[in-house]
Amino acid sequence: SQTIHQWPATLVQPVGSPLSLECTVEGTSNPNLYWYRQAAGRGLQLLFYSVGIGQISSEVPQNLSASRPQDRQFILSSKKLLLSDSGFYLCAWRGTEDSPLHFGNGTRLTVT
Amino acid sequence: QKEVEQDPGPLSVPEGAIVSLNCTYSNSAFQYFMWYRQYSRKGPELLMYTYSSGNKEDGRFTAQVDKSSKYISLFIRDSQPSDSATYLCAMRVYSSASKIIFGSGTRLSIRP
Repeated sequence: SQTIHQWPATLVQPVGSPLSLECTVEGTSNPNLYWYRQAAGRGLQLLFYSVGIGQISSEVPQNLSASRPQDRQFILSSKKLLLSDSGFYLCAWRGTEDSPLHFGNGTRLTVT
Repeated sequence: QKEVEQDPGPLSVPEGAIVSLNCTYSNSAFQYFMWYRQYSRKGPELLMYTYSSGNKEDGRFTAQVDKSSKYISLFIRDSQPSDSATYLCAMRVYSSASKIIFGSGTRLSIRP
């Protein structure tokens, strides 16, 4: 069966520091991978998605970037964090065109 | 106007009651409909997934889709305190890798 791992679970970082969040999927190949951000009391905002290695699409202009160095690995990065980057970051994957999204357990990021 | 509208609640019902959660949407191109359950500080968990009008049942959960009215519902029978969570509806267009739109979520509380 397929599983998705996301780490760390929580992170407190100072403003201006770099960020690297990692997500890996097991038990499938060539998944579509997604990064979402969820602000308190608000819906899920799509940040990036990837349909293959090295292929990244950005949905909103921001202080963040994403990379997919391997088939089942998706990384969310920032060179310098802003206070507004605080939030709950969720990685998700999808297999075939007909299949739904499956989420990891998220990373709660607090920028101080 | 948002593409997907969902009443944020909170909704509080007694244990054993039937719960009805609803979403409306404006984009007639949406073809896949999903319901997720999200516990506090966790990622969303897929509950139901359907692409046709009508009802789909899974245990105590029934998903209902009315494409003519652009309206979807999730019914929970014999509600339990463990059903207390935020419920998110989601929908997408068939051919797009990215366009999965989420409602803002309804917070549900089941009173023992």
